[in-house]
Amino acid sequence: AQTVTQSQPEMSVQEAETVTLSCTYDTSESDYYLFWYKQPPSRQMILVIRQEAYKQQNATENRFSVNFQKAAKSFSLKISDSQLGDAAMYFCAYRDPNFGNEKLTFGTGTRLTIIP
Amino acid sequence: DAGVTQSPTHLIKTRGQQVTLRCSPKSGHDTVSWYQQALGQGPQFIFQYYEEEERQRGNFPDRFSGHQFPNYSSELNVNALLLGDSALYLCASSYRQGVKEKLFFGSGTQLSVL
Repeated sequence: AQTVTQSQPEMSVQEAETVTLSCTYDTSESDYYLFWYKQPPSRQMILVIRQEAYKQQNATENRFSVNFQKAAKSFSLKISDSQLGDAAMYFCAYRDPNFGNEKLTFGTGTRLTIIP
Repeated sequence: DAGVTQSPTHLIKTRGQQVTLRCSPKSGHDTVSWYQQALGQGPQFIFQYYEEEERQRGNFPDRFSGHQFPNYSSELNVNALLLGDSALYLCASSYRQGVKEKLFFGSGTQLSVL
């Protein structure tokens, strides 16, 4: 079974600075999807960024970018120019292509605090 | 355009009781998945419904069952509640044919079992 590990329960960063959240995963598949989700106090899971394993280029979405190291099975999230609204729980997730769209395996999350 | 809506937002039950949670998918979506998020944990996949049938199931006992209606809305039923069933229950919807379609999540139902 696939597993996703987030080894940083909590992280903090000064407003406007850069922070990197770590994620490692385990799979025997060669093709899969990786995601970072944000969960603010409203509890709704919001997709931040998505990476397809067959793409060598790292995904970017505005201030959010990933460092995808397929051989190392590592998928870190970098948040640049941190803003107060970035404070939330961040979850790394894996999707097995054999199960279609829906079955996501999540890590245990990293709580990100933004210091004004 | 309403996103994924879940009801109720909070619920308190006692051990042994049964509970029903409800989910309306985002407009245009035909697939609903349910996740359980225990305190301090990431969400865990319970099951997924498409065309009114359970298509995939995670590692959850038969006490957890569901239903999908012709209008694509869904219910999650949990029988014989245990203290360990206390969690946030998240519903997510997607469009089956959209391979790269992202999941849209609701804000969840917080279930407390006393």
